[in-house]
Amino acid sequence: GENVEQHPSTLSVQEGDSAVIKCTYSDSASNYFPWYKQELGKRPQLIIDIRSNVGEKKDQRIAVTLNKTAKHFSLHITETQPEDSAVYFCAASRSNFNKFYFGSGTKLNVKP
Amino acid sequence: DTGVSQDPRHKITKRGQNVTFRCDPISEHNRLYWYRQTLGQGPEFLTYFQNEAQLEKSRLLSDRFSAERPKGSFSTLEIQRTEQGDSAMYLCASSHRDREDSGANVLTFGAGSRLTVL
Repeated sequence: GENVEQHPSTLSVQEGDSAVIKCTYSDSASNYFPWYKQELGKRPQLIIDIRSNVGEKKDQRIAVTLNKTAKHFSLHITETQPEDSAVYFCAASRSNFNKFYFGSGTKLNVKP
Repeated sequence: DTGVSQDPRHKITKRGQNVTFRCDPISEHNRLYWYRQTLGQGPEFLTYFQNEAQLEKSRLLSDRFSAERPKGSFSTLEIQRTEQGDSAMYLCASSHRDREDSGANVLTFGAGSRLTVL
């Protein structure tokens, strides 16, 4: 089965700095890669996703890059704000979407 | 509230007891997933339904776990003879293949059912 590894497990940045979270996956058939944000005590919510036919996708301060050859993808958050503080999870799925495999999470702390 | 509903939100039980969780997905979603999340970890896949058919089941799901989605709407997850290691947050998520973007599948999670086994 798929194995998704995520790092770092914790990340502390100053407000306004950039944050990068990296994930690797093992199943070459995976082709859909979403990122979820989970605030303390709340449910995970999708913030951005990318399919394997593109290498990069941006949405305002958030971007995701994908290197299918190396089987890794990354989340980039620019101009971080205190409200970005949360746990971020990467995930991978095949095109049938029958299973999503999640990374172990990155706790991001943005210091004001 | 038109989101994913889970009940109960919290369940405390003694080891050896049976527990059942219910999930009501978003009405037009035909896909339903159950995940387990322990503190400091990512959601761990348990099982997947497309309509009423259970198409995937994790090997992690021992014979003490069973899930149903009898009419393709709500789903139940039952844990028999609970063990302390079953203590976790049980998350339900639903989705449908994006009509405008068939390559995407956005999971909408419920708030979860937290199980504590004493």
